[in-house]
Amino acid sequence: AQKVTQAQTEISVVEKEDVTLDCVYETRDTTYYLFWYKQPPSGELVFLIRRNSFDEQNEISGRYSWNFQKSTSSFNFTITASQVVDSAVYFCALSEANTGANSKLTFGKGITLSVRP
Amino acid sequence: GAVVSQHPSRVICKSGTSVKIECRSLDFQATTMFWYRQFPKQSLMLMATSNEGSKATYEQGVEKDKFLINHASLTLSTLTVTSAHPEDSSFYICSAAGTLPRDTIYFGEGSWLTVV
Repeated sequence: AQKVTQAQTEISVVEKEDVTLDCVYETRDTTYYLFWYKQPPSGELVFLIRRNSFDEQNEISGRYSWNFQKSTSSFNFTITASQVVDSAVYFCALSEANTGANSKLTFGKGITLSVRP
Repeated sequence: GAVVSQHPSRVICKSGTSVKIECRSLDFQATTMFWYRQFPKQSLMLMATSNEGSKATYEQGVEKDKFLINHASLTLSTLTVTSAHPEDSSFYICSAAGTLPRDTIYFGEGSWLTVV
């Protein structure tokens, strides 16, 4: 069975600080997909990234960066120079290849990030 | 802009009544959609997989007679909560797999259901 652990439940930072959100996963599959979503107070889930298990390259998108380490089964998310608009709940999720890359997801419990001005 | 749309975004219904939530893929065809439920300050739990033209596949513990799912077309899936009770109050959100170039999973805006 697959599992996603987001050990941090709530993080509070001051604007312009960097913050890293941790994600550890468990799966028996050799091929799988990892996702990060942002959920602002309005409720919708905003897609941030999808990464397959064969691509361990780190990715940077503006102030966002992701560090994928298969050796430690982690897919951590860093926000550089945080802003108040980054305040939201962030979910890490996993899907297995045998059900398709874009298939049902197993979610972590989410991390509530509060960025104070 | 949104590629998956849900309606209504908020609904209040009386105990014992039924309520329908729609999930539409706006600019792509989705043979499969997924319905999740989220309680306040908790994670998303998959309820069922909605397959176009066939019966939905429900996760263990989800009452299929209570949460009716219909996927009548490639762009529309509906979730009907039948004989709603206050404990059914929750945030329901659907997702659909996009097609190239939107090759990932997109979620609707979610629907807040309150049963009074």
